[in-house]
Amino acid sequence: DTEVTQTPKHLVMGMTNKKSLKCEQHMGHRAMYWYKQKAKKPPELMFVYSYEKLSINESVPSRFSPECPNSSLLNLHLHALQPEDSALYLCASSQGQNEKLFFGSGTQLSVL
Amino acid sequence: GESVGLHLPTLSVQEGDNSIINCAYSNSASDYFIWYKQESGKGPQFIIDIRSNMDKRQGQRVTVLLNKTVKHLSLQIAATQPGDSAVYFCAEEGMDSSYKLIFGSGTRLLVRP
Repeated sequence: DTEVTQTPKHLVMGMTNKKSLKCEQHMGHRAMYWYKQKAKKPPELMFVYSYEKLSINESVPSRFSPECPNSSLLNLHLHALQPEDSALYLCASSQGQNEKLFFGSGTQLSVL
Repeated sequence: GESVGLHLPTLSVQEGDNSIINCAYSNSASDYFIWYKQESGKGPQFIIDIRSNMDKRQGQRVTVLLNKTVKHLSLQIAATQPGDSAVYFCAEEGMDSSYKLIFGSGTRLLVRP
């Protein structure tokens, strides 16, 4: 199994809603990532978890809250988002440092 | 490389020709470089990677060349096919963490039948 599975594929939410994005991998990878991608732009790193501990937070606003319940799962909790947060949110995993990332298909998020 | 602008550079090639996609990177200390392909509505898909102790690596129909002197990376695709049409991103190891992959701005490859 070389897949990273993300749910939901699409999400529309209002600025007062609370929602969560989910990501799962069964490759035994110990690093998991959240990236944000706007249209026609490259992916931008948000968070990195290594061995279930948050190791990198790229100064992401607190309305985005990551969670790593175990080595296979990664969540991104969303609260009070702004319309400019509309983007494709990508989850990825890797064996470790300086290793290729395996990406999921992403969640296309629209904030109204 | 840093992302710039709103418009992706586009490379248009005839089916069957070879394609060369170029990338300038910024971190001279980077040990790891990687190319991804992203089709519309999908996540980035790994193509090939290379470490700084090499200057060339070949895969199936793809070759990556690394020139550390001028901080330049290129992806060569042999006998380009319609299925190769996508956006291609190079990525380099971040300056302050080996967990970071910093993506370049991307190049759109269009394959003409």
